[in-house]
Amino acid sequence: AQSVSQHNHHVILSEAASLELGCNYSYGGTVNLFWYVQYPGQHLQLLLKYFSGDPLVKGIKGFEAEFIKSKFSFNLRKPSVQWSDTAEYFCAVISFGNEKLTFGTGTRLTIIP
Amino acid sequence: GAVVSQHPSRVICKSGTSVKIECRSLDFQATTMFWYRQFPKQSLMLMATSNEGSKATYEQGVEKDKFLINHASLTLSTLTVTSAHPEDSSFYICSARASGRTYEQYFGPGTRLTVT
Repeated sequence: AQSVSQHNHHVILSEAASLELGCNYSYGGTVNLFWYVQYPGQHLQLLLKYFSGDPLVKGIKGFEAEFIKSKFSFNLRKPSVQWSDTAEYFCAVISFGNEKLTFGTGTRLTIIP
Repeated sequence: GAVVSQHPSRVICKSGTSVKIECRSLDFQATTMFWYRQFPKQSLMLMATSNEGSKATYEQGVEKDKFLINHASLTLSTLTVTSAHPEDSSFYICSARASGRTYEQYFGPGTRLTVT
């Protein structure tokens, strides 16, 4: 069975700081990986996704993530965060042949102006 | 494109009554829709997968007689919470997968259910 771990439950940063949120998955086969963001009071939005090819994936709003197969990781990064990045961030995985998304527990990001 | 709507956005009902939540794909056809439940400050837990024209597939531990799912058309799925109790209070989110696109899901804005 596939599972996702997000070890950072709550991250607090000042504006302009660099961000890295951890995501590890457990599944030995081919996977598709996603990062979703949920702004306060809003619905889930797709930040970026990895299906195949270049393991460094760029998404919206300056976010990027790197798929490292040997580490089963898909960490989210942003070089300089803004106050508007305050939100809940979810990593998710679908294993090949499976149609179900499995979500991590989420990381709450708070940016201090 | 790829917009999913949910109605209502918020609903308060009395214990013992039933509540229906609609999920619509507005600009695409969705052969498969998913229903999730999100508890405060927790992740999304998949409740069931519904395919147009067939019975929903429920995840382990989800009561199918309590959470009735109907996917009557390629753009509409409904979740009915029957005989609701306060412990059913939660945030219910649907997602839809476009026909022919296996791994991408588009999420609705969610429905906040409060059972008093």
